[in-house]
Amino acid sequence: QQQVKQSPQSLIVQKGGISIINCAYENTAFDYFPWYQQFPGKGPALLIAIRPDVSEKKEGRFTISFNKSAKQFSLHIMDSQPGDSATYFCAARGTGAGSYQLTFGKGTKLSVIP
Amino acid sequence: NAGVTQTPKFRILKIGQSMTLQCAQDMNHNYMYWYRQDPGMGLKLIYYSVGAGITDKGEVPNGYNVSRSTTEDFPLRLELAAPSQTSVYFCASSYDQGYEQFFGPGTRLTVL
Repeated sequence: QQQVKQSPQSLIVQKGGISIINCAYENTAFDYFPWYQQFPGKGPALLIAIRPDVSEKKEGRFTISFNKSAKQFSLHIMDSQPGDSATYFCAARGTGAGSYQLTFGKGTKLSVIP
Repeated sequence: NAGVTQTPKFRILKIGQSMTLQCAQDMNHNYMYWYRQDPGMGLKLIYYSVGAGITDKGEVPNGYNVSRSTTEDFPLRLELAAPSQTSVYFCASSYDQGYEQFFGPGTRLTVL
């Protein structure tokens, strides 16, 4: 049972444009929402993360927007660059018995074209 | 610091063979994890450990075993390999439970 739904599966954006990737979750017990970036042949690397007590977090060109009531969060990449071309995964950390686990979305392959 | 290291990078197994995927971290993290990544499916947790001598099952543990005798090492054992275990395996570690996880470069395993 997938608890974190990610969309779109793939995304093509022009250089300089805004990339937007969305995730929705079902479990209200999640308390930490990271985004991971993965380049081909590499392991995922933490990009940015947010906790549910804030609605937005920005780090450079990357912003997470979080809507607790809608149980949705999204990654915005401003001024997208070809070097941003990678697969992005959202995730959510459970609490209580599931607190060691990150539940991942299925990933979004982003291609930024010059 | 080398971070999280994994060996081997690639491996081809025949059905029924066994092997151990090695994982080591030099960040003195108590928490370690094994994931498998299948195309279009994200990452699924196989096993995790909260410290030396303590391990527990994740979402997809069948066909795998782990041990954690030291803080640094967390090997994953495949017994009686099956084609369904063809995947890319990632080891990760974190300082705090479930929070920022550092991933290794992965092991690509093919079972034929």
